[in-house]
Amino acid sequence: NAGVMQNPRHLVRRRGQEARLRCSPMKGHSHVYWYRQLPEEGLKFMVYLQKENIIDESGMPKERFSAEFPKEGPSILRIQQVVRGDSAAYFCASSMDRSGSAGELFFGEGSRLTVL
Amino acid sequence: QKEVEQNSGPLSVPEGAIASLNCTYSDRVSQSFFWYRQYSGKSPELIMSIYSNGDKEDGRFTAQLNKASQYVSLLIRDSQPSDSATYLCAVLKYSSASKIIFGSGTRLSIRP
Repeated sequence: NAGVMQNPRHLVRRRGQEARLRCSPMKGHSHVYWYRQLPEEGLKFMVYLQKENIIDESGMPKERFSAEFPKEGPSILRIQQVVRGDSAAYFCASSMDRSGSAGELFFGEGSRLTVL
Repeated sequence: QKEVEQNSGPLSVPEGAIASLNCTYSDRVSQSFFWYRQYSGKSPELIMSIYSNGDKEDGRFTAQLNKASQYVSLLIRDSQPSDSATYLCAVLKYSSASKIIFGSGTRLSIRP
């Protein structure tokens, strides 16, 4: 399967714990986006990354949230000291490049975080 | 003002009719426009992209773009129950830090 792979699909954490969500983009894609979706709501932009670079993190909360996309391995969205309000579906999407097909995003199945 | 606005619906359309979904955007710099479909509990999937003014047709789907009025629409002809989903409008503006902004989505229900 050459699609966008996210894991875990479901994650349960207690308040104060850390959550790590992983995303492997489609083969040949070098751009990764993370979005958060609350029930019955749209997708909220969080961060846009390329390999080893954060391009735009204007949607990321200033505290507790961080993202990376290392030279080797998947992109990781890390949430420290989770709170109940962090419960949501986190979608990763990848695209090929900035011009032409940029904006034509391919989404993973999402990681559903539940904070108890 | 939200960057991308959509009527949340639900929009109910009888089977076989035309469903019309609308979206407005606030930033004139926006250059690329997309419609994604999201079934309940699933991830969004791209169904149409449009980059220049006018209409773009793909099967039963037609995307319409009017940059002067800053709106983009999606028409679904011969609506089927399988078209029942949430339709998300998305906008990309090329800049030093491009990001793709989504509207909150319109829930479409096709009644048999």
